[in-house]
Amino acid sequence: EIVMTQSPATLSVSPGERATLSCRASQSLSSNLAWYQQKPGQAPRLLIYDVSSRATGIPDRFSGSGSGTEFTLTLSSLQSEDFAVYYCQQYNNWPPVFGQGTKVEIK
Amino acid sequence: EVQLVQSGAEVKKPGESLKISCKGSGYSFTNYWIAWVRQMPGKGLEWMGIIYPGDSETRYNPSFQGQVTISVDKSIRTAYLQWGSLKASDTAMYYCARQNIAARPLDYWGQGTLVTVSS
Repeated sequence: EIVMTQSPATLSVSPGERATLSCRASQSLSSNLAWYQQKPGQAPRLLIYDVSSRATGIPDRFSGSGSGTEFTLTLSSLQSEDFAVYYCQQYNNWPPVFGQGTKVEIK
Repeated sequence: EVQLVQSGAEVKKPGESLKISCKGSGYSFTNYWIAWVRQMPGKGLEWMGIIYPGDSETRYNPSFQGQVTISVDKSIRTAYLQWGSLKASDTAMYYCARQNIAARPLDYWGQGTLVTVSS
């Protein structure tokens, strides 16, 4: 089973600032990497798939990049509604695996 | 509008059985896989397994194989997750979600069903 490691566990950011979240896989994923956002009391929401494609309705302040085993989610200018937990997920190998999450909190 | 609507919260005792549901609407139910995802209290997301309503093909995460059963009734557009004998460690939020191909991300999610197992 592929292991997905996210860092940092918690990121403190001021509104309007940029946030960079990292995700590392124990094996190469090709382009089979997604990012999800989860707010308290809500189901996760798909943000990014295939490393860098935004899901329907996702604003362009969210961007994904990376390849192989190293991936990044960038939030270019944090809005109040962006403070949440973010999970990466690989779907290159069975079973699909999520990272442990990065919590983005208000500084 | 694509919607996945899950059954309500459950409180059960250890050893009891349980079946929770996920009803899809607003899309061609038989052409998309349904996945089940577990989230234990304060923890991250775990992919349990998937089912294809078109032919009931089912795939389990080895970590959950034998612990749960995933099924579907395509006539009523509903997928199920069931336990034969619950344990306290099954206490969690359970989400269903849709994917268009087995090895793809989950694009629409249900609202979650909270299962609490306590004596």
